[in-house]
Amino acid sequence: GQQVMQIPQYQHVQEGEDFTTYCNSSTTLSNIQWYKQRPGGHPVFLIQLVKSGEVKKQKRLTFQFGEAKKNSSLHITATQTTDVGTYFCAGDAGGTSYGKLTFGQGTILTVHP
Amino acid sequence: DADVTQTPRNRITKTGKRIMLECSQTKGHDRMYWYRQDPGLGLRLIYYSFDVKDINKGEISDGYSVSRQAQAKFSLSLESAIPNQTALYFCATSDLPVGQGAREQYFGPGTRLTVT
Repeated sequence: GQQVMQIPQYQHVQEGEDFTTYCNSSTTLSNIQWYKQRPGGHPVFLIQLVKSGEVKKQKRLTFQFGEAKKNSSLHITATQTTDVGTYFCAGDAGGTSYGKLTFGQGTILTVHP
Repeated sequence: DADVTQTPRNRITKTGKRIMLECSQTKGHDRMYWYRQDPGLGLRLIYYSFDVKDINKGEISDGYSVSRQAQAKFSLSLESAIPNQTALYFCATSDLPVGQGAREQYFGPGTRLTVT
């Protein structure tokens, strides 16, 4: 079945440093979503990428979808303590199960003030 | 998200017991999902339902069953709980896909289940 791998599993940064998490799918995706889970909380949707090579920005967050629609990345510029949490990518393979997401393992981000 | 509620929020049970986790939503979504979260393994799909009459197994359905009682309610049962089912369980909902994009999923607050 479809697999979505996400690295790194953990990332510790000093406040102000940049952060990147990478996501790779074993199959071509129809679209990919990104979620953030604060400590003790539940996953919250951040963004969806649909087009090959798509790049979207949300303030300090930049999301990319690879040309082959098999990989994606999330980059945070100048991290802040409010960025702490776990970031998940979630791939949708489309087809008959369109809308069913396969989540990566997540990257746990710690930001030291 | 207050629109998706889960009960109970915490539960400790013994091996072999039957337990039901309940999920209700007021978002009017047709699609509902059950996930479990384990450290280092992310969110894994247990079952999903695209409408009241459509229920499908996810990647880790063994040992679990579900019931979609109404559009707004989706329950997860552990027929005979075992310790490796100790995890954080999330219910989620989503609207129908539009174009090439799936719709975002809205998660409940989670149920922390411990099986001793």
